[in-house]
Amino acid sequence: DSGVTQTPKHLITATGQRVTLRCSPRSGDLSVYWYQQSLDQGLQFLIQYYNGEERAKGNILERFSAQQFPDLHSELNLSSLELGDSALYFCASSDDRGTDTQYFGPGTRLTVL
Amino acid sequence: AQSVTQLGSHVSVSEGALVLLRCNYSSSVPPYLFWYVQYPNQGLQLLLKYTSAATLVKGINGFEAEFKKSETSFHLTKPSAHMSDAAEYFCAVSGQTSYDKVIFGPGTSLSVIP
Repeated sequence: DSGVTQTPKHLITATGQRVTLRCSPRSGDLSVYWYQQSLDQGLQFLIQYYNGEERAKGNILERFSAQQFPDLHSELNLSSLELGDSALYFCASSDDRGTDTQYFGPGTRLTVL
Repeated sequence: AQSVTQLGSHVSVSEGALVLLRCNYSSSVPPYLFWYVQYPNQGLQLLLKYTSAATLVKGINGFEAEFKKSETSFHLTKPSAHMSDAAEYFCAVSGQTSYDKVIFGPGTSLSVIP
């Protein structure tokens, strides 16, 4: 158990819909990262937040957005969903050094029908 | 810019045989290097990391990796494969500042044959 929790574990929705994925980092970790893992694209970094502020952006689509709240939990919002958005979405957290070990949550499997 | 390549998307070894998973990186700054493992239906777990101290890094579950700057490599090895080692392995690189992103390689799937 990494100490990072993600909800829900599975999510099935239709094209055009909007969903919210939630992540709670390990106690004391200030950085939260979001990744998308799919068979064709592998593990792609989406976005990083540090103590409530956006710190780094990766291959995140404009239809996707994220935020980190004062209690340090984070949410990833995916809108206007397309079939190609079906993937595993991982959240990871690390301490304030940012490049130290990232602890991954179990992931949310999103299926868009 | 940084990138990671992992030679061989799939590697099969016999139980008890040497495991060698290859990783080469490209980095314009001194790198930190990581190996992560992903077991089926689970998130990624850190195996080991290089952060500019000793070039031979020992990790969990008997794995180790050697940083070779001249070859820009960070290959992962284990002397004797166990059935429980079957998983997906990811090599990753980052810079050494807190603003550097971690870039993951495409992964290598390891199968262990009894």
